[in-house]
Amino acid sequence: LAKTTQPISMDSYEGQEVNITCSHNNIATNDYITWYQQFPSQGPRFIIQGYKTKVTNEVASLFIPADRKSSTLSLPRVSLSDTAVYYCLVGDMDSSYKLIFGSGTRLLVRP
Amino acid sequence: GAGVSQSPSNKVTEKGKDVELRCDPISGHTALYWYRQSLGQGLEFLIYFQGNSAPDKSGLPSDRFSAERTGGSVSTLTIQRTQQEDSAVYLCASSFYRERFNEQFFGPGTRLTVL
Repeated sequence: LAKTTQPISMDSYEGQEVNITCSHNNIATNDYITWYQQFPSQGPRFIIQGYKTKVTNEVASLFIPADRKSSTLSLPRVSLSDTAVYYCLVGDMDSSYKLIFGSGTRLLVRP
Repeated sequence: GAGVSQSPSNKVTEKGKDVELRCDPISGHTALYWYRQSLGQGLEFLIYFQGNSAPDKSGLPSDRFSAERTGGSVSTLTIQRTQQEDSAVYLCASSFYRERFNEQFFGPGTRLTVL
């Protein structure tokens, strides 16, 4: 069973860069790594996805080292509205049809 | 356009009763997923449909749980003989492509409370 590990919580201040790392030691060769954001009482929302190296979109960057056993979500210049829970998502090595969400990192952005 | 919708938004039931939770995915989305999120916890994967087919049902917590999808669209998650530990938010998501890693669009969830 694939397992992911994330920090339970992180604190930051407005305007700072925040990096959240997820470890996924047993990631399968063909698996992508996806990150989602969740606000209270809402379903998660897709942020970014990657396979290796670096991916950047308009809201975040994703860094994946060559061994792909971890990934780091980078949020540049966070604002109060970035306060949310962030999850990494990988596949379950035991099944081609199952997915594993990380336990989530609760990010609090302070003024 | 319309997003993923789920009904009911809230369901309170008594222990031992059966419940049905409904998910309407985004039109044209081939893949559909069910998750469970207990209070303050992360998301627990339950099942994944490619079209009407669920190739692996082992993520369902027990044989009291079942799910079906008809016409490649609406899906129903049924919980029989509900227990208090079934209380959680049940989230549904859909994605355009069949591959499981494609971007998922989540519904607002159904909050189930078993008394």
